[in-house]
Amino acid sequence: DAGVIQSPRHEVTEMGQEVTLRCKPISGHDYLFWYRQTMMRGLELLIYFNNNVPIDDSGMPEDRFSAKMPNASFSTLKIQPSEPRDSAVYFCASRKNRVGNEQFFGPGTRLTVL
Amino acid sequence: QQQVKQSPQSLIVQKGGISIINCAYENTAFDYFPWYQQFPGKGPALLIAIRPDVSEKKEGRFTISFNKSAKQFSLHIMDSQPGDSATYFCAAPPSSKGIQGAQKLVFGQGTRLTINP
Repeated sequence: DAGVIQSPRHEVTEMGQEVTLRCKPISGHDYLFWYRQTMMRGLELLIYFNNNVPIDDSGMPEDRFSAKMPNASFSTLKIQPSEPRDSAVYFCASRKNRVGNEQFFGPGTRLTVL
Repeated sequence: QQQVKQSPQSLIVQKGGISIINCAYENTAFDYFPWYQQFPGKGPALLIAIRPDVSEKKEGRFTISFNKSAKQFSLHIMDSQPGDSATYFCAAPPSSKGIQGAQKLVFGQGTRLTINP
């Protein structure tokens, strides 16, 4: 298995531009999580999906952030418009449907907003 | 909202020594406490986890010790090696009940561990 795949690995954009991050979870996993990692705030959960349905988006910082999961093998996290404070590493993780099961993280997307 | 407090923020240990990282949580409706390891440029990866029907779990050089009454758990790395240099995160389920809440993890702030050769 290729593991969780994220693209792009690096993204540099200017303030005000739209940014779309992509994630392909591990096949057969029922849960997908989007995290943001910064030095100041650590690893924060933004949103998670179960069977492609958003379950908890309480960690999404603002309306500028949106996430979709149109099918079991693809999810996007969009920031529109982007701001410099959105600069961070964004991780996608997936796991099977069982409480306490391991979350498998992707390699992350390093986003820099100038 | 669950708070997970991890200490120390950074730790330097000599090769062959014991590395100890501590974690404290407030409340949890579910008992599952993992430690994740993250190398630079990589995503976190599960290192070891404990379900506290036991007070300790050991896997090779890595041990989790759990104190339910104190709401604390710790990671011990025996015979620490330079290859163990990484950032370590503890995590705990949220305090809210409900099966959906159990699916989440709240992570500590991380401990940057450096093992000197």
